[in-house]
Amino acid sequence: EIVLTQSPDTLSLSPGERATLSCRASQSVSGGHLAWYQQKPGQAPRLLIYGASSRAPGIPDRFSGSGSGTAFTLTISRLEPEDFAVYYCLHYGRSHTWPFGQGTKVDIK
Amino acid sequence: EVQLVESGGGLVQAGGSLRLSCAASGFTFSNYEMNWVRQAPGKGLEWVSYIAGSDGTIYYAASVKGRFTISRDNAKDSLYLHMNSLRADDTAVYYCARGASSGWYPLDFWGQGTVVTVSS
Repeated sequence: EIVLTQSPDTLSLSPGERATLSCRASQSVSGGHLAWYQQKPGQAPRLLIYGASSRAPGIPDRFSGSGSGTAFTLTISRLEPEDFAVYYCLHYGRSHTWPFGQGTKVDIK
Repeated sequence: EVQLVESGGGLVQAGGSLRLSCAASGFTFSNYEMNWVRQAPGKGLEWVSYIAGSDGTIYYAASVKGRFTISRDNAKDSLYLHMNSLRADDTAVYYCARGASSGWYPLDFWGQGTVVTVSS
């Protein structure tokens, strides 16, 4: 079973700065089946990235995903006030389980 | 517009049972895989269960296997989660989430969740 580990646990940044979030898998993620979600307090998660690097419909281009194998990255090029939230990665391959990372909180410095 | 609306949450004693429902609209429900995901207070997301669109394939997380049962009624565009032998650590917001219609695609649309509280 694949285990996803995100780092850091918390990222303190200012609006306008670049955010780089990491998601590492315990074994290779087949087909790049790695997604990223944003969750704000009291809200359901929102899909940002799928297939490691494809933006979901309606997602601004300041969000980008990259990586393959066991190492994946979500980058927010310039943080907007509405981007301060918790971010999760998810593996959705044929493992018969859908493991999430533990989350990275991006908060205002 | 895709909509998923959960219901059925509430307060239940440890050892009790509860049935959650998820009403789907805005898409051809039978074509899509569906999932339940939960989030304990102040914690991260935990996948709970999966059901295929129409071939009966079902999977469970180890933490709920043998206690929870996922089902769907495609005629009613509805997803269900029957929860038995509830424990305090089942306390969470339970979300239904849409999966793929074909190929590989993550959980794209989520409901707003229903709160389950298990008292010990």
